[in-house]
Amino acid sequence: GIQVEQSPPDLILQEGANSTLRCNFSDSVNNLQWFHQNPWGQLINLFYIPSGTKQNGRLSATTVATERYSLLYISSSQTTDSGVYFCAVEGGGGADGLTFGKGTHLIIQP
Amino acid sequence: DVKVTQSSRYLVKRTGEKVFLECVQDMDHENMFWYRQDPGLGLRLIYFSYDVKMKEKGDIPEGYSVSREKKERFSLILESASTNQTSMYLCASLRLGAGGDIQYFGAGTRLSVL
Repeated sequence: GIQVEQSPPDLILQEGANSTLRCNFSDSVNNLQWFHQNPWGQLINLFYIPSGTKQNGRLSATTVATERYSLLYISSSQTTDSGVYFCAVEGGGGADGLTFGKGTHLIIQP
Repeated sequence: DVKVTQSSRYLVKRTGEKVFLECVQDMDHENMFWYRQDPGLGLRLIYFSYDVKMKEKGDIPEGYSVSREKKERFSLILESASTNQTSMYLCASLRLGAGGDIQYFGAGTRLSVL
């Protein structure tokens, strides 16, 4: 199956800093999503981005499908951005479930 | 907004008990999923369903079964709970559409098996 690797595993930043999270995957994908898991465990979809670039406020994401990686950018970090960020992919043709990376644990300090 | 509701946030069960984890979605989605999350391992797919009474094994189905009698409800069953099934369980529902195939997650159930 597809392998998903995320880096860095942990990241500690001061409020206001910018960050880049990376997701590498081992095969072509039909679906790639970025999620944020808050400290209470709720997973929230941030982007559906199997290719191209999207932006939503302070967050943006870029997927270069031909090179099998995706980047999540967080600008002007706030303490509420803390949590775990997951990249998840699906390589099949149907809705067969996502393969998740192990996540990046982000801590934003005031 | 899509709403995926898991019946319990926390559960404590004893080894050997039969455990039911319930998940309900309110958006008439056909596809639903059960994952478990363990520290350092991310989320792993247990089972999924693409229609009523239909089920497919995910990556780690051993020790689990599922039930999908109604479209909105997808249940995960631990026939005889064991300590290695202590974990966070997450249910998801899939929205198919022009904007992308997006999974929406419930708040999770933290299960402890003693």
